[in-house]
Amino acid sequence: NAGVTQTPKFQVLKTGQSMTLQCAQDMNHEYMSWYRQDPGMGLRLIHYSVGAGITDQGEVPNGYNVSRSTTEDFPLRLLSAAPSQTSVYFCASSYSDRRRDEQFFGPGTRLTVL
Amino acid sequence: AQSVAQPEDQVNVAEGNPLTVKCTYSVSGNPYLFWYVQYPNRGLQFLLKYITGDNLVKGSYGFEAEFNKSQTSFHLKKPSALVSDSALYFCAVRDIHGSGNTGKLIFGQGTTLQVKP
Repeated sequence: NAGVTQTPKFQVLKTGQSMTLQCAQDMNHEYMSWYRQDPGMGLRLIHYSVGAGITDQGEVPNGYNVSRSTTEDFPLRLLSAAPSQTSVYFCASSYSDRRRDEQFFGPGTRLTVL
Repeated sequence: AQSVAQPEDQVNVAEGNPLTVKCTYSVSGNPYLFWYVQYPNRGLQFLLKYITGDNLVKGSYGFEAEFNKSQTSFHLKKPSALVSDSALYFCAVRDIHGSGNTGKLIFGQGTTLQVKP
């Protein structure tokens, strides 16, 4: 299994540009989520999905869109990039069964917005 | 609102000594707690979790965590630290509010563990 994969690893954008961060998992996990990691703030949940066709907002959703058309893929779209969105972004997935719901994280995408 | 706090930004320990990374929680109802580790330039890796049962939970890489309901704490411990344990450690609580089993996690700010030879 490849686990959770994210592309790209690094990205530099100019203010106002849009882009999509890709996330895919091959473990047939129901639950997928996007976090951003900023120094001293831990990880903050942006959006999450409990299954294909179902998404919901997390703690910091503004400026981001998601969709979940398949179980495997959960892309994150930045609509109009702002310097405040400079961060490291992690995608995670897990089963929804509480007995085995440990989240698996991707390697991250380091985004800089100029 | 549910939350976790990690009161120490950094913990320094000598190799071979026991280590403790602290975490306290605030939840309504029964807590559902996790520890994750992040090595440099990597994603987070699951270490262990507490749902119910024994207060001492054993996890990966020789780590364990002690759940203390009266002190609302879930401290991460290891009897003998290794240099390779140096990393960023996150405590998290599962957000049980809302409908369904969302799997949402609320993370602490993280504690950097530095183990010196």
